[in-house]
Amino acid sequence: EVHLLESGGGLVQPGGSLRLSCVASKLSFSNYAMAWVRQAPGKGLEWVASMQNGDASTYYIDSVKGRFTISRDNSKNTLYLQMHSLRGEDTALYYCARDIPGSGWALDYWGQGTLVSVSS
Amino acid sequence: QSALTQPPSASGSPGQSVTISCTGTSSDVGAYNHVSWYQQYPGKAPRLIIYEVTRRPSGVPDRFSGFKSGNTASLTVSGLLAEDEADYYCSSHGGFDTLVAFGGGTRLTVL
Repeated sequence: EVHLLESGGGLVQPGGSLRLSCVASKLSFSNYAMAWVRQAPGKGLEWVASMQNGDASTYYIDSVKGRFTISRDNSKNTLYLQMHSLRGEDTALYYCARDIPGSGWALDYWGQGTLVSVSS
Repeated sequence: QSALTQPPSASGSPGQSVTISCTGTSSDVGAYNHVSWYQQYPGKAPRLIIYEVTRRPSGVPDRFSGFKSGNTASLTVSGLLAEDEADYYCSSHGGFDTLVAFGGGTRLTVL
């Protein structure tokens, strides 16, 4: 069974930085595009960023462009999300998820999430 | 404000069928057969139950079915069970300004 484990969340002041990690197991990680999706407390799901496996193209929601960077290390089966200039509205549970190839970003495996809290 | 529009709530009695709608635009739902549906229990990660409008991942009961017409997709849950009480989210390959759009979610209550 595919397993995704996120880490790196925590409490950070506005303007601060965090780096989230997502380690994949029992998955040919390099063969799959991956995504980060967040969920603010009591709110719905919001796609944040995605990264292709082949050409490593990256995509971001407008609200994080220029502040967040998605990357991956296939040798470590790990997906990252570097977050800078954090704002209160970035407070959320951040999930990493695997894309079904060719599905138009249907996400079939999800981690349990890591909580990011931005507050002074 | 979510890019895709879902009703905030839906309900049905055990054994009944319930349909949840997901309305987008000609740039997202209407443009691609890339609509997905997720089920989420409180405190748990989302679970994919429908992708590419009508396809079910392995292990998802055929009580769950998807459909799309124009800019609106729908999820039907047939033969409602108490365990179907959860939040349901649609998503679509996005339009011009976003790769992936989610709906705001629908809380399904089994009466």
